[in-house]
Amino acid sequence: GESVGLHLPTLSVQEGDNSIINCAYSNSASDYFIWYKQESGKGPQFIIDIRSNMDKRQGQRVTVLLNKTVKHLSLQIAATQPGDSAVYFCADRSLGTALIFGKGTTLSVSS
Amino acid sequence: GAGVSQTPSNKVTEKGKYVELRCDPISGHTALYWYRQSLGQGPEFLIYFQGTGAADDSGLPNDRFFAVRPEGSVSTLKIQRTERGDSAVYLCASSLQSGGANVLTFGAGSRLTVL
Repeated sequence: GESVGLHLPTLSVQEGDNSIINCAYSNSASDYFIWYKQESGKGPQFIIDIRSNMDKRQGQRVTVLLNKTVKHLSLQIAATQPGDSAVYFCADRSLGTALIFGKGTTLSVSS
Repeated sequence: GAGVSQTPSNKVTEKGKYVELRCDPISGHTALYWYRQSLGQGPEFLIYFQGTGAADDSGLPNDRFFAVRPEGSVSTLKIQRTERGDSAVYLCASSLQSGGANVLTFGAGSRLTVL
């Protein structure tokens, strides 16, 4: 099957900086995209999602951008905090299928 | 319940043994998913249920793996003749319904170690 992948395996930022985590997907039929955060020893935790009929969606301190032309998804975290340190996964889904996850980006936030 | 509950949280077994992993989804969630996560990797889809029936089992790696959800609530993932390569964290998730913009809520996982 097709898979979703992330551009960089690790990202290190300073507290207070903005973080951008990127993701490329390959399935042109995908109509739903989602970002999860996973801390050590825990299951993935929902952050934000977006449908394919949108190109931007904002939450609290997070924004997801979707570029269907180049099949690219990004997660922006404003004013990154130490508690944001985790592994971030993007995932996508097309009609009738389950979510397919990429490999993840480890975000490290230093004080 | 308040969240997705998975038991056991840790399971150590010997090669060749039979293992069962249990998932108790959020009450009222009709869709239930099983994923497997190896160290440093993203969750890998195994199977999902809509109600009692397996809607998609295309991710099950071979016939040693089987899952059931007889009453449309609790699900059990069964692994026969375990192999060392089965060692991973097995994640369960549930959602109100399958598909669309239904968000999956994950449990903490069951860590399986096959010696």
